[in-house]
Amino acid sequence: DGGITQSPKYLFRKEGQNVTLSCEQNLNHDAMYWYRQDPGQGLRLIYYSHIVNDFQKGDIAEGYSVSREKKESFPLTVTSAQKNPTAFYLCASSIGDNQPQHFGDGTRLSIL
Amino acid sequence: DAKTTQPPSMDCAEGRAANLPCNHSTISGNEYVYWYRQIHSQGPQYIIHGLKNNETNEMASLIITEDRKSSTLILPHATLRDTAVYYCIVRVSGSNYKLTFGKGTLLTVNP
Repeated sequence: DGGITQSPKYLFRKEGQNVTLSCEQNLNHDAMYWYRQDPGQGLRLIYYSHIVNDFQKGDIAEGYSVSREKKESFPLTVTSAQKNPTAFYLCASSIGDNQPQHFGDGTRLSIL
Repeated sequence: DAKTTQPPSMDCAEGRAANLPCNHSTISGNEYVYWYRQIHSQGPQYIIHGLKNNETNEMASLIITEDRKSSTLILPHATLRDTAVYYCIVRVSGSNYKLTFGKGTLLTVNP
């Protein structure tokens, strides 16, 4: 089935470590996004990419980095510079502007 | 993007229609209305979207008032699996693709 796969579902990080969250889509969508969700809150945009080898910062990009080397993949690295990384991370993709975004099932990151 | 106002929670009996309201009184002419829902611990699910006309798909109907200042999402026959937080979002064309999620409406479908 076509869709968006995020892995792992749960992830634990030690203080000072970088960690990478995986996002893969087989929908042939050009645009991909990363959002963060904190308990009881809405989603906030971290990074987005309209096309391969190009990406833009969202509202809360500090402490995060991304790459877009392939159309189907958009990994997110949570660096040690992110002081409050514990959250639910959601990846999405869309064909383009004004088209619905389709989401994966998320990765829940916790600090040990 | 225009701000939206939704009730924090609603209840609905299983098998009945669920009507979820959304106010977006500052919406501009080029802003679309989107509805998503999120079941606990899952990613949001796209439901439907529209600009001016009413829309219907296999999941729901979207009714937009003539002045476009409010809309209603209708789930015609709610089931227990429809219990979720429902988000109404308005988004202008070209706004860097961002979806701005508010706190939404927690719909609880009761047996």
